[in-house]
Amino acid sequence: GENVEQHPSTLSVQEGDSAVIKCTYSDSASNYFPWYKQELGKRPQLIIDIRSNVGEKKDQRIAVTLNKTAKHFSLHITETQPEDSAVYFCAAGNTNAGKSTFGDGTTLTVKP
Amino acid sequence: DGGITQSPKYLFRKEGQNVTLSCEQNLNHDAMYWYRQDPGQGLRLIYYSQIVNDFQKGDIAEGYSVSREKKESFPLTVTSAQKNPTAFYLCASSKAGEISPLHFGNGTRLTVT
Repeated sequence: GENVEQHPSTLSVQEGDSAVIKCTYSDSASNYFPWYKQELGKRPQLIIDIRSNVGEKKDQRIAVTLNKTAKHFSLHITETQPEDSAVYFCAAGNTNAGKSTFGDGTTLTVKP
Repeated sequence: DGGITQSPKYLFRKEGQNVTLSCEQNLNHDAMYWYRQDPGQGLRLIYYSQIVNDFQKGDIAEGYSVSREKKESFPLTVTSAQKNPTAFYLCASSKAGEISPLHFGNGTRLTVT
């Protein structure tokens, strides 16, 4: 089955700096790569996603890049703010399998 | 307001008892999922269902059971066979067809003593 590895497990940055979280996946059949943000005590919520036919996608301060050959994808957050502090999860999804496999999460702390 | 409702928010049970967690959605989604979240381990898939009256085991199905008798509902039973049931359980749904974003409920925190 699919295996997703996510790094780093914790990340601390100063407000205004950039943050990068990286994930690798094992199954070349995976074709959907979402990122979820989970604030303390709340449900995970989608922040951005990318499909396998696209190399990069941006939405204001967040962007995701995908390298299908190397089987890795990354989340980039620019101009970080204290409200970006949360746990971020990457996932790799497979339409044929009808399910997604999650990474172990990254706890991002943005210091004011 | 469409969404997924999980109840209860907190659940306490004695060891050896079965317990059922509720999940209801009004998003008209065909697919529903149950994930377990433990500290530092991300979300692990327990069971999922693409259509009514059909479901598949996820990565950690042992000790759990589900049913999908209605499109809106996907209850999860944690049986006494589950060796370490204390965890945070998240239900999610998505559109069928091409894989799409998951919409999560607020979760149920189960404590078994």
